[in-house]
Amino acid sequence: DTAVSQTPKYLVTQMGNDKSIKCEQNLGHDTMYWYKQDSKKFLKIMFSYNNKELIINETVPNRFSPKSPDKAHLNLHINSLELGDSAVYFCASSRADTQYFGPGTRLTVL
Amino acid sequence: AQSVTQLDSQVPVFEEAPVELRCNYSSSVSVYLFWYVQYPNQGLQLLLKYLSGSTLVKGINGFEAEFNKSQTSFHLRKPSVHISDTAEYFCAAYTGGFKTIFGAGTRLFVKA
Repeated sequence: DTAVSQTPKYLVTQMGNDKSIKCEQNLGHDTMYWYKQDSKKFLKIMFSYNNKELIINETVPNRFSPKSPDKAHLNLHINSLELGDSAVYFCASSRADTQYFGPGTRLTVL
Repeated sequence: AQSVTQLDSQVPVFEEAPVELRCNYSSSVSVYLFWYVQYPNQGLQLLLKYLSGSTLVKGINGFEAEFNKSQTSFHLRKPSVHISDTAEYFCAAYTGGFKTIFGAGTRLFVKA
């Protein structure tokens, strides 16, 4: 009965490949997010969806494309992976002010 | 523009000693303030939050924080830390619009 889950937990891939990360929440929240955490632990918001509509897009390269098939799911697809994409990606959800985070996906691009 | 500044990137402290992690925010509007904790290899989880009312907020694991509007601060404190408190701590501010601003994080390292 995990509140926010992400798959996979680890992802190791070569430069230039395309990969996806999936996120699901069972909290009944309307809003979901993707964050990127770099090696210095800095947390940066990438996208936010509310009721399946994109509401925040924080100057993320076009290679990143989020998709929300329904309110409980928010997936992240990344094209043409680059070395700089290596990071931990967190999914989160919220109803109002408090965020609930998934366990993270550690992406390593070789 | 809103911003959150955590004044210390790392705080080493001995077990059973008190600790304070400092946070300042910048906002011209009312904010909700939060502290989140991230244990190694895990996601962030809520430690405590201030929405309104009493300026002293108590959270989980014996932590508390005090909202100080005149100093625009929201410092986190614990009177006696444990080894298990070793983690990354994030101060955050929410001003509406579905966006939370996070500070850069403070690494609390508790030594035996």
